[in-house]
Amino acid sequence: AQKVTQAQTEISVVEKEDVTLDCVYETRDTTYYLFWYKQPPSGELVFLIRRNSFDEQNEISGRYSWNFQKSTSSFNFTITASQVVDSAVYFCALSEPYSSSGSARQLTFGSGTQLTVLP
Amino acid sequence: NAGVTQTPKFQVLKTGQSMTLQCAQDMNHNSMYWYRQDPGMGLRLIYYSASEGTTDKGEVPNGYNVSRLNKREFSLRLESAAPSQTSVYFCASRVASSYNSPLHFGNGTRLTVT
Repeated sequence: AQKVTQAQTEISVVEKEDVTLDCVYETRDTTYYLFWYKQPPSGELVFLIRRNSFDEQNEISGRYSWNFQKSTSSFNFTITASQVVDSAVYFCALSEPYSSSGSARQLTFGSGTQLTVLP
Repeated sequence: NAGVTQTPKFQVLKTGQSMTLQCAQDMNHNSMYWYRQDPGMGLRLIYYSASEGTTDKGEVPNGYNVSRLNKREFSLRLESAAPSQTSVYFCASRVASSYNSPLHFGNGTRLTVT
């Protein structure tokens, strides 16, 4: 069965520090997609990035970077020079072609990491 | 461009009362979803509709019903609310029921059942 683990429940850093949010997943499929979402204090869920299982190239977008390592089933998210506006809950999610129940293509979310960036 | 719109934003119910959460999207997406978010548990899928005219159960469907009214609208009904249904509910949509499509979420409905 598919599973996503975000072991860090809460992280607190001081502004300008770098911070890495961990995501470990379990899947039987060789083909799948991984996602990261951000939930700021206002409550909405914002899509950040999508990565397919065949593309292990790291991705950088401004201060954000993602490190996908298939060998360790991890898809970690790093924020460089963190800012107060980065304070949010971050969710990692996995999508497979078919779930164990037979229903197609659902996203399984981790429990989230609450990031607090202090000024 | 409104995206995914949920109503109401907040609701308080007494045990046993019923209510319907409304969701509409204007992105011409085929698939729509209802999730609930509880502390420490991430988002769990309640029901989904892969396309207009179809609905299926997700991980936690008990106590809920859904209606895919048309391509735009997907409602979630609680027939007899229970305190265990106190949660934040999110509606989401995506282009197709394809495992590579990201979900686009509404702003959520915070429901309290007393």
